[in-house]
Amino acid sequence: AQSVTQLGSHVSVSEGALVLLRCNYSSSVPPYLFWYVQYPNQGLQLLLKYTSAATLVKGINGFEAEFKKSETSFHLTKPSAHMSDAAEYFCAVSGGKSTFGDGTTLTVKP
Amino acid sequence: DSGVTQTPKHLITATGQRVTLRCSPRSGDLSVYWYQQSLDQGLQFLIQYYNGEERAKGNILERFSAQQFPDLHSELNLSSLELGDSALYFCASSARGPGELFFGEGSRLTVL
Repeated sequence: AQSVTQLGSHVSVSEGALVLLRCNYSSSVPPYLFWYVQYPNQGLQLLLKYTSAATLVKGINGFEAEFKKSETSFHLTKPSAHMSDAAEYFCAVSGGKSTFGDGTTLTVKP
Repeated sequence: DSGVTQTPKHLITATGQRVTLRCSPRSGDLSVYWYQQSLDQGLQFLIQYYNGEERAKGNILERFSAQQFPDLHSELNLSSLELGDSALYFCASSARGPGELFFGEGSRLTVL
């Protein structure tokens, strides 16, 4: 069985500040890991994915995530938040069918 | 544009009724997934089809059913609707293997 836990359902940062969204996974097989973003009234779109190549994965819009097997974590970061980053973010693990975390809503304050 | 098309975008109906949601996957994708997103349950996996065959089942109610047709489009049928079925229903498709999912924009169902 596989599962994903996102720590913190709401994260608020100031514009220009570091964004850190936390994700821990559980998987009995080497996982494929994903971060998706959902803007209001839209579907989810892929930010980045880990597929057992490099442990530091770069995605779109300046986001990146680091796979740490020892910590079973795949945290999402962005050095400097922009107002347009305000959205809901989902971590997911895939081994046949994707399992999503509960999501983290990111608020960016001016 | 993800390439996944869902219709209708919005649907309002009454309790006890039946509705059908339709999904056309990205060109070439054989897998179709259905998810339900609600405020209290989050994003819940319902069911997956691969090339017409059911591949995986999640938290799908017996009142709900789905199928994937030979042209690879899929339909999710929701019957005996209850107030609690009001949600956003997403379809996603993927290529072969456990790769990324491409989501449609969803069908928002409101049951009154």
